[in-house]
Amino acid sequence: EVQLLESGGGLIQPGGSLRLSCAASGFIFSNYAMSWARQSPGKGLEWVAAIGGSGGVTYFADSVKGRFIISRDNSKNTVSLQMNSLRVGDTAIYYCAKDWDMDVWGQGTTVIVSS
Amino acid sequence: AIQMTQSPSSLSASVGDRVIITCRASQGIRDDLNWYQQKPGKAPKVLIYSASNLQAGVPSRFSGSGSGTDFTLTISGLQPEDFATYYCLQHHTYPPYSFGQGTKLEIK
Repeated sequence: EVQLLESGGGLIQPGGSLRLSCAASGFIFSNYAMSWARQSPGKGLEWVAAIGGSGGVTYFADSVKGRFIISRDNSKNTVSLQMNSLRVGDTAIYYCAKDWDMDVWGQGTTVIVSS
Repeated sequence: AIQMTQSPSSLSASVGDRVIITCRASQGIRDDLNWYQQKPGKAPKVLIYSASNLQAGVPSRFSGSGSGTDFTLTISGLQPEDFATYYCLQHHTYPPYSFGQGTKLEIK
């Protein structure tokens, strides 16, 4: 069974940094791209970032480009989202998902950016 | 970037009804579209992939159609557990990808 488990969320002040992680199991991790999406309180879903299976290609939404970094460790079956220069508008539940087309999702981790 | 316009934003229906939700892409995306169901406090779950393929384990009352720019999700014979929010996602060629704004399906 494919499982994804996010961690690393919390309360952070504007301008701060936070690193989210997603631990994957149940599939050959290095064969698949991994994606991140987020959902602000009471709002819809927003695609955030994705990384290819080897880690050689990365993509970002314009709203996070230059502030967020996505990376992966295929030896540990984990994907990470380093979030820098955080803004109040980055407050959301962050989900990791398998593959470009996000066919399986984790349960999410909550990030609150507030002073 | 490709924009997805989903409608309606909300919908009231009764158990047993047939409902249709649509997504329109700002440019052609072939069949690179998924449909998701999200219940309160839960992660989204894929229902339909590649526009018309039913995900394993999803009831057959859910169906998807379309290609290019216009897509529909149909639920035939609404069940109580179907009241949720539905989203489309376009994943055409390279990111950035984009979701529709969502459709909240409520009990009439």
